[in-house]
Order: sequence, then structure tokens, then C-alpha cells
Amino acid sequence: EVQLLESGGGLVQTGGSLRLSCAASGFTFSNNAMTWVRQAPGKGLEWVSTISGSGGTTYYADSVKGRFTISRDNSKNTLYVQMSSLRAEDTAVYYCAKDRRSTSPRGIDYWGQGTLVTVSS
Amino acid sequence: QTVVTQEPSFSVSPGGTVTLTCGLSSGSVSTSYYPSWYQQTPGQAPRTLIYSTYTRSSGVPDRFSGSILGNKAALTITGAQADDESDYYCVLYMDSGNVVFGGGTKLTVL
Repeated sequence: EVQLLESGGGLVQTGGSLRLSCAASGFTFSNNAMTWVRQAPGKGLEWVSTISGSGGTTYYADSVKGRFTISRDNSKNTLYVQMSSLRAEDTAVYYCAKDRRSTSPRGIDYWGQGTLVTVSS
Repeated sequence: QTVVTQEPSFSVSPGGTVTLTCGLSSGSVSTSYYPSWYQQTPGQAPRTLIYSTYTRSSGVPDRFSGSILGNKAALTITGAQADDESDYYCVLYMDSGNVVFGGGTKLTVL
């Protein structure tokens, strides 16, 4: 059974940094691209970033480019996103998601339960 | 900037059929965009219904189906049930690697 468990969310000040983690199990982690999707309170889903299975290729939404860094440790079956220069508009539930393919994103098949990040002054 | 369009809201009677659509602000949606559909009820994580236009995710009942209708991707729910009342999101996958979510459709079953 595929399981994705996010952690690391919490309250952070504007301009601060935070690292989210996603522990994966139930599949061969390095075979799949992984994605972060977020959802601001009362709003829709927004793609944040994707990393290929090897970790060699990354993709970012314009809204986070230059501030967020996605990475993965295939030896630990864990996905990360390092978030810096955080703004109020980054406040959201952040979901970790598994893509069907190994290279570029082509469709999420499993989702984690999400972790809440609140950015406040 | 690429904008994916969805109906903001839709309603269907129990047992009825409804088709939600997913378009592009400029251009047509084709299978090359690997359109996917995700369902979300309030307070819950999203659930994958359809990927690569037509393929149902594991465990999804066959009353959910995906297609291309004209210049849009479509999600059809046949025999709507009360627990289908949810938000439905379409996603398109760009050649560049970018991923674009639609704004979502709030489906009411009444």
C-alpha cells in the first residue's frame, strides 16, 4: 500500500524558512517523480514543484521559483521542499504526491494527507 | 500565462448524469496534455479519479469516465450519488514540465 506522510509544517514568520518532508513507502521510490501541491485556506489546488525520480530534474511554479528548493533522498525514501523568504500568500496545506512517471510530471496517482504551513508576521 | 478553465459550480440530481469540462484560455485541450481529474471533499486530501485523459485510477468506480469533447477535456459522472458531492479539479501537464490546475468545480447533488 502506497503511503505518503508529510511533516515539518507549522507557524513561521514572514521572511523565514521551513523545510517540509514526505516519507514514502509501498513503492519503489526512485522509480517515480514526486510533486508538491498546495492549497491556501478556502482556495483551490496549486502545483508547487516536481522532481524526477533520479532527482536530476526539477520543475517549479513561477510563484515559488527562486525561493523553494525541491529535493529527494532515494536512500531514505524521502521527499523534501526547502522554503525560504516565506510570504503570507505561502500559507497553505502542502500535499506530497506521487507521479505515475519517473521523469517529467504526467499525472498524480497518490496523495499524502497534507501538512499546514502558516506564515505570519 | 496558461489558464485552465472549469465551471465554478454544477448541480446534478441523484441518479443523473453530469459532464464537467476543462478548457484552455487559448487553444484546445488534447491528450498531449495528459488531462487528469481529482476529487476533493472538504477537509480531505485530494483523490485521483482519472489520468491520461481516460484511465481510471485504482478503485475508482466505472461511473466516472474521462474523455475529450470538442476542444476540452471532460469528466462524466453517470448515476450520480450523494457522496459524489465534492470539488473536482482538472489538471493539464505541459511539455515544459509545468503543471496547471483548473480553479475547480463545486458539484452539488440534489
